[in-house]
Amino acid sequence: GQNIDQPTEMTATEGAIVQINCTYQTSGFNGLFWYQQHAGEAPTFLSYNVLDGLEEKGRFSSFLSRSKGYSYLLLKELQMKDSASYLCAVSPSGGNKLTFGTGTQLKVEL
Amino acid sequence: GAVVSQHPSWVICKSGTSVKIECRSLDFQATTMFWYRQFPKQSLMLMATSNEGSKATYEQGVEKDKFLINHASLTLSTLTVTSAHPEDSSFYICSAGDSFSGNTIYFGEGSWLTVV
Repeated sequence: GQNIDQPTEMTATEGAIVQINCTYQTSGFNGLFWYQQHAGEAPTFLSYNVLDGLEEKGRFSSFLSRSKGYSYLLLKELQMKDSASYLCAVSPSGGNKLTFGTGTQLKVEL
Repeated sequence: GAVVSQHPSWVICKSGTSVKIECRSLDFQATTMFWYRQFPKQSLMLMATSNEGSKATYEQGVEKDKFLINHASLTLSTLTVTSAHPEDSSFYICSAGDSFSGNTIYFGEGSWLTVV
């Protein structure tokens, strides 16, 4: 089976840094994705990791450790508009089929 | 602009009726598309893989006779919720990948279904 876990909720302060963790146990692994989703909207692509290490993209960075089945999304210089749900997703078998984690609702406060 | 388009964005229907949701890839051809369902405050759950020219592959626990999927062309997949019940009310969203854009997966805008 597939099991992808994330914290349900997190709260952080504007301007700060927050790290959202994701652990996974899947039947296969062909990459890990992070998406941002505002309520009632489609997910927006943030990052993709297939090899171990850190991928940096502006204020967002994503890290992967395949041996540990672990990833995190790092958000720097938090802004109020970053308040959203963050979804970790794994491609277990290649192609474009994704299995999503439980999602983390991030609230950014003043 | 959107590269995967869904229609309708929202729909209200009566119990017992059927509703069709369309998913179109606008700038590329997609031999496979994916249908997800999302209940409020929950994550996306994969329902099925839509395969162009052949039968869809359903995830465990998803009724294939209730959620009919047709992928008649390389740019269009449809999801029909048959004999809808209030518990089918949800956010339905499709995705597709463009093989020429690496690992980018595009999501449609999503469709809100309310069954009354």
